[in-house]
Amino acid sequence: DQQVKQNSPSLSVQEGRISILNCDYTNSMFDYFLWYKKYPAEGPTFLISISSIKDKNEDGRFTVFLNKSAKHLSLHIVPSQPGDSAVYFCAARRTGGFKTIFGAGTRLFVKA
Amino acid sequence: DVKVTQSSRYLVKRTGEKVFLECVQDMDHENMFWYRQDPGLGLRLIYFSYDVKMKEKGDIPEGYSVSREKKERFSLILESASTNQTSMYLCASSPIDRTNEKLFFGSGTQLSVL
Repeated sequence: DQQVKQNSPSLSVQEGRISILNCDYTNSMFDYFLWYKKYPAEGPTFLISISSIKDKNEDGRFTVFLNKSAKHLSLHIVPSQPGDSAVYFCAARRTGGFKTIFGAGTRLFVKA
Repeated sequence: DVKVTQSSRYLVKRTGEKVFLECVQDMDHENMFWYRQDPGLGLRLIYFSYDVKMKEKGDIPEGYSVSREKKERFSLILESASTNQTSMYLCASSPIDRTNEKLFFGSGTQLSVL
């Protein structure tokens, strides 16, 4: 039973436009959410995170939105660049715990 | 710059072989993790360790064991490799501050069991 779900395996976006990647979770005990980015032949790298006490966190071109009532978060990339083409993993954890639970990932293609 | 190093990028083994995957981190992190990545399933936690000689099962520990004799090194052991253990294996580490924990990953080991 997947506790973190990314229902879109892939997404294609034109350069300069907005990319929106979605993620749903089922465990209401999760209180910290992260996005990781993965290029081929490399390990995932941390991108941005959000605590459950916030509904938005912004870092440059990347913004994460959290809707706790819907158990839904999204990552917005504006403007999208070809170098953003990668697999994006949504992840969730409970403060004080050791485990980080990952979604299946969404492959983003940004076309020049 | 922080670094997590996995000893092999690619490995090919035969069914029944004992396989060792090694991971070393240079960040003095207390926590270390082993994940496997499979298409459509994302990253799944196999084992983790929060201190030297300590280990805890993750979500899919069957068929695996681990060893942490030194703080910087965390080994994953496949006692008798099977074809369903063909996967990308990712090692990660994190500091002890669990209020804002992000993971630092190695580049991964692609294991093929024939």
